[in-house]
Amino acid sequence: GAVVSQHPSWVICKSGTSVKIECRSLDFQATTMFWYRQFPKQSLMLMATSNEGSKATYEQGVEKDKFLINHASLTLSTLTVTSAHPEDSSFYICSARDDRVVTEAFFGQGTRLTVV
Amino acid sequence: QKEVEQDPGPLSVPEGAIVSLNCTYSNSAFQYFMWYRQYSRKGPELLMYTYSSGNKEDGRFTAQVDKSSKYISLFIRDSQPSDSATYLCAMSFTGNQFYFGTGTSLTVIP
Repeated sequence: GAVVSQHPSWVICKSGTSVKIECRSLDFQATTMFWYRQFPKQSLMLMATSNEGSKATYEQGVEKDKFLINHASLTLSTLTVTSAHPEDSSFYICSARDDRVVTEAFFGQGTRLTVV
Repeated sequence: QKEVEQDPGPLSVPEGAIVSLNCTYSNSAFQYFMWYRQYSRKGPELLMYTYSSGNKEDGRFTAQVDKSSKYISLFIRDSQPSDSATYLCAMSFTGNQFYFGTGTSLTVIP
């Protein structure tokens, strides 16, 4: 199956600092990528839809100035958590939709962010 | 009302049992139905996807979609301890946005 690489797998940062998470589609092009947040024992909550070359579309309640998304190429999207706070600690997962098979999206392995 | 409802479990079965996982949904416009498996601290892995109604089989896994009842199922035959994971159903109108269930935690006991 298609491979999506997400990096880093886990990160610990201090309050007030920024953290960048990368999502790469390794063997396919992805015009559209999705960023999710997952709390323990809960489902994935869509944060934003990222489209290559244009501004991301954020879901209601998600602060676009806090969660900066850049989708500069067909294989890379980044999520930057700015001025992180402990309540931002969570599991962040990206998925990339294969341009050839738009009904299938493949997930990265997730990033566990802990803000201390 | 949530778009997609899924019983979170947990579900515990003996090795070799047939497992039935289900989701219901409220919007009849959903066209694409997916099942993902997620191991602890990992991203979800696509297991099966079905377009519209009907059944789809892949090895020990069978996905069923009943659009008239707005109900989808995933059956796992001859369950193995390695099947222990959280199973998420997901649905989409056009493939542009996915709506996920909360996931069902499954444990297969050796």
